[in-house]
Amino acid sequence: AQSVSQHNHHVILSEAASLELGCNYSYGGTVNLFWYVQYPGQHLQLLLKYFSGDPLVKGIKGFEAEFIKSKFSFNLRKPSVQWSDTAEYFCAVNGVSGGGADGLTFGKGTHLIIQP
Amino acid sequence: ETGVTQSPTHLIKTRGQQVTLRCSSQSGHNTVSWYQQALGQGPQFIFQYYREEENGRGNFPPRFSGLQFPNYSSELNVNALELDDSALYLCASSLGPGKANYGYTFGSGTRLTVV
Repeated sequence: AQSVSQHNHHVILSEAASLELGCNYSYGGTVNLFWYVQYPGQHLQLLLKYFSGDPLVKGIKGFEAEFIKSKFSFNLRKPSVQWSDTAEYFCAVNGVSGGGADGLTFGKGTHLIIQP
Repeated sequence: ETGVTQSPTHLIKTRGQQVTLRCSSQSGHNTVSWYQQALGQGPQFIFQYYREEENGRGNFPPRFSGLQFPNYSSELNVNALELDDSALYLCASSLGPGKANYGYTFGSGTRLTVV
């Protein structure tokens, strides 16, 4: 069974600090990887995704993530965070062989608070 | 393009009752999946519908069932509600099997409280 582990449940940073949120997955096959963000009171929004090619992917709002296959990791980074980045961040995976029919497996999320 | 819309936004039900939640998919998307998000947890996959058939299911009991209609909209039905069914129920639409790499568009969810 596939699983996703997010290392930090709560992270507090000051504005302009650099961010790295850890994500490791367990799956016996080729995967698609996603990071979603949930701002307070809003729906899940896609930040970025990886499915093939360059393991360094860039998303919206200055976020990027690096897929390291040997480590089964897909860490999210941002060089300089803003107060508006305060949100819940979810890493998710699904298996390519299932064609997506097995749905997304999410981590438990990281609650990020940016202090002005 | 329109996003994913869900109704109702909030619902309170009594243990043992039945509930139906509704979802309209994003324009151009033919596949709908449902997720349960308990407080403080990540969403958990319930099932997925494609061409009006269930084509994938997570670890949920049979009292969780669904439908998809010819216009790709969908319903989630939960029978014999239990207190632990209290959660945010999310609907997501996508382009279909084999195109999961294009991602999923999520609705804002239905907050179900079972008392």
